[in-house]
Amino acid sequence: NAGVTQTPKFQVLKTGQSMTLQCAQDMNHEYMSWYRQDPGMGLRLIHYSVGAGITDQGEVPNGYNVSRSTTEDFPLRLLSAAPSQTSVYFCASSYSIWRTEAFFGQGTRLTVV
Amino acid sequence: DQQVKQNSPSLSVQEGRISILNCDYTNSMFDYFLWYKKYPAEGPTFLISISSIKDKNEDGRFTVFLNKSAKHLSLHIVPSQPGDSAVYFCAASAGGSSNTGKLIFGQGTTLQVKP
Repeated sequence: NAGVTQTPKFQVLKTGQSMTLQCAQDMNHEYMSWYRQDPGMGLRLIHYSVGAGITDQGEVPNGYNVSRSTTEDFPLRLLSAAPSQTSVYFCASSYSIWRTEAFFGQGTRLTVV
Repeated sequence: DQQVKQNSPSLSVQEGRISILNCDYTNSMFDYFLWYKKYPAEGPTFLISISSIKDKNEDGRFTVFLNKSAKHLSLHIVPSQPGDSAVYFCAASAGGSSNTGKLIFGQGTTLQVKP
């Protein structure tokens, strides 16, 4: 059972480039979310999804897009990378919104230069 | 505005002693609280949770206490072990009709347990 898988683990982007962070879970969880972790800021919610075809914004959504075409996948797109998006990104999933013991992926460390 | 706050960035305790990690929240709609543990280069892992209908929940060496009137919760680890050295995050979510499943996290507290 792989749980939540994030790819890539590390990425360096130039300012203005776009990319997609991949997240997949094999637990048939309805609820998925993306967080970013910055020093002194904890984990901040970027976007979340309560099921396939349904997404909504979190605390810090600007500069990011998401879509949820299947239950398993929840990619995060950076449209035009900025140095302020340098961070560690975590994807998480949970069985439903009523059971919020989320399972997290290993993280993607992104550096924008 | 930080809705969940962990005001102590770090804590150091001796092996075998009690570790107490604190968390405060401001949103009175929060009714479910969780603690996560994170080792370097890994994702956070769920540790223990508590619903607002309770004031205490135990799981082995870990106990979470909730004081709703003070909007405060704490995580007690007894006895502390070197393997407990990690970053601990407090998180909260709002249930009921406003439930969206969103978890709001605190800034984290780095616990160091010295042998």
